Amino acid sequence: DSGVTQTPKHLITATGQRVTLRCSPRSGDLSVYWYQQSLDQGLQFLIQYYNGEERAKGNILERFSAQQFPDLHSELNLSSLELGDSALYFCASSVEGRGGNEQFFGPGTRLTVL
Amino acid sequence: AQSVSQHNHHVILSEAASLELGCNYSYGGTVNLFWYVQYPGQHLQLLLKYFSGDPLVKGIKGFEAEFIKSKFSFNLRKPSVQWSDTAEYFCAVGGTGGFKTIFGAGTRLFVKA
Repeated sequence: DSGVTQTPKHLITATGQRVTLRCSPRSGDLSVYWYQQSLDQGLQFLIQYYNGEERAKGNILERFSAQQFPDLHSELNLSSLELGDSALYFCASSVEGRGGNEQFFGPGTRLTVL
Repeated sequence: AQSVSQHNHHVILSEAASLELGCNYSYGGTVNLFWYVQYPGQHLQLLLKYFSGDPLVKGIKGFEAEFIKSKFSFNLRKPSVQWSDTAEYFCAVGGTGGFKTIFGAGTRLFVKA
């Protein structure tokens, strides 16, 4: 157990819908990362937050957005869902959010878009 | 451009065989290097990391990795693999002066019993 929690574990929805994935970082970690993992694309970095502010952006689609709240939990919002958005979405956290920090990964949310 | 390249996407070995997974990176400046492992159905977890000092790093479960600065490489090794090592292995590079960590595409290892 990494100390990072994600809800829900599984999510099944239809194309065109909107979903929200939630992540709580390890106690004391200020930075949260979101990743998308699929069979064809591998592990893709989406976005990083540090203490409530966006710090780095990766291959995140415009239909996706995220935020980190004052209590440091984070939410990833996916809208206008397409079949290709079906994937495993991981959240990770680290102490400072620096490139040298170890990241601790949550168990993931498996999203299935039908 | 910053990047991490893992040479093999799929590796199949028999138990007791030796393992070496290649990782090369392109990243300006001082780096920290990581290998993460993802067992089937599980999340990624840290296998080992290099920050400074001895370029030969030992991790959990008998894994080790060698940082060769001149070759921009951080290869993962294990002298004798077990069936339980079946997993996907990710190399990652983070700049010590910045915020980015870049992950490689991963190598899927299957160990035959």
